Amino acid sequence: GENVEQHPSTLSVQEGDSAVIKCTYSDSASNYFPWYKQELGKRPQLIIDIRSNVGEKKDQRIAVTLNKTAKHFSLHITETQPEDSAVYFCAAIGNSGGSNYKLTFGKGTLLTVNP
Amino acid sequence: DAMVIQNPRYQVTQFGKPVTLSCSQTLNHNVMYWYQQKSSQAPKLLFHYYDKDFNNEADTPDNFQSRRPNTSFCFLDIRSPGLGDAAMYLCATSHRENTEAFFGQGTRLTVV
Repeated sequence: GENVEQHPSTLSVQEGDSAVIKCTYSDSASNYFPWYKQELGKRPQLIIDIRSNVGEKKDQRIAVTLNKTAKHFSLHITETQPEDSAVYFCAAIGNSGGSNYKLTFGKGTLLTVNP
Repeated sequence: DAMVIQNPRYQVTQFGKPVTLSCSQTLNHNVMYWYQQKSSQAPKLLFHYYDKDFNNEADTPDNFQSRRPNTSFCFLDIRSPGLGDAAMYLCATSHRENTEAFFGQGTRLTVV
């Protein structure tokens, strides 16, 4: 089945700096890669996603890049703000055999943006 | 408007006493997931359905079972809760493969 590795586990940046979180996946058949933001005690919320036919996607201060050959994808947040502080999870959906439709999460990155 | 609704938000149960958590959706999505999330950890997939096709994760304890009587509803049954089952339980839905998963607010289970 799919295995998603995420780094770093914690990340502390100054307000206005950029933050980058990286993930790798194991199933070459995976073709959908969402990123979720989870604030303490709340549900995960989708912030951006990318499909395997696209190399990069941007939404305001957030961007995601995908390298299918290397099986890794990254989240980039520019001009960070204190309200960006949360746990961020990458995920992948496998599309082969018993993994159809199975959303697998990385272990998460605790991002702290210091004012 | 809430699209994935979990009840109750908070559940306290006694050690060994069966408990059922419920999830409903107004999105008519094919796929429904149940995740267990413990403090400072990632959501861990327990089961998922594509329509009525049930997929059980290999490491989901036998103590956990699920039912999906129709498209809108899904239940998580914990037959004999132990202290280690205390966690947030998240239900999520998606239309089909490769589409956004929408999460409910979760049920926080406490075992006493």
